[in-house]
Amino acid sequence: DAGITQSPRHKVTETGTPVTLRCHQTENHRYMYWYRQDPGHGLRLIHYSYGVKDTDKGEVSDGYSVSRSKTEDFLLTLESATSSQTSVYFCAISDGFGQGSYEQYFGPGTRLTVT
Amino acid sequence: DQQVKQNSPSLSVQEGRISILNCDYTNSMFDYFLWYKKYPAEGPTFLISISSIKDKNEDGRFTVFLNKSAKHLSLHIVPSQPGDSAVYFCAATLTSGTYKYIFGTGTRLKVLA
Repeated sequence: DAGITQSPRHKVTETGTPVTLRCHQTENHRYMYWYRQDPGHGLRLIHYSYGVKDTDKGEVSDGYSVSRSKTEDFLLTLESATSSQTSVYFCAISDGFGQGSYEQYFGPGTRLTVT
Repeated sequence: DQQVKQNSPSLSVQEGRISILNCDYTNSMFDYFLWYKKYPAEGPTFLISISSIKDKNEDGRFTVFLNKSAKHLSLHIVPSQPGDSAVYFCAATLTSGTYKYIFGTGTRLKVLA
C-alpha cells in the first residue's frame, strides 16, 4: 500500500469554525489532491498540488484553501465550516505525469461532520 | 457539466457470471482512463487503466474496453466473485498538462452468492 495517511480520521465541528485536514505521504510523489465524496456526486476535486507551493483549484474549491510547504504534506483548510461541507474527504497522490504511469493512490479518508 | 458519467448507480450479478460496468465521457481530449474500486470506510484503490492508444487492457479477471468513437469505456469482471462487491468509479485524465482527474459518480456492484 502507498504510504498515505490522513488526520484526523473523524471530526465533528460547529458551523463557522475553521478546520484543517492533513494529508501526509511517504512516497515522495509530486502530485497531491483533495477530493470530497458525496452521495450522487462521486469524487469531486477540491484542490490539487503539482509541486511544493504550487497549487490550483478543482471543481468545488469555494470555501476551501490549501497549502503545501513540503513534498510530504498537503493541508486542506475549511476557513469557516458550513453544513454543506459535511462529507468524506480523500487525499490522493500521483507521480505519473511525465512518467507514463498515471494511477492515483488514495488515503483512508476523513469523515467530517459540521453541526 | 458532468464530463464523466456512470449512468447505472447499481448492478447486481450472480457469482460466477460476468459483470459489465459502463462509463461515458464527453471530452474527446481525455487520453487516459482508470477504474477504481471502493469498499465502505476505505479509500478507493486502483484497479486497471487504459491509454487512448489502445482499445483493450486485461489484468486477470478484469478487462477494460475503450471505444473512442463512442466515448465509452467498460469494465468486465469475469468471473464475478462476492468479494468484488464494492463501488466502482471510472476516471479520466489528460496526460499532457492539467494534472486533473475527473471521476464518474460510481456504480455499486453487488455479487450474489
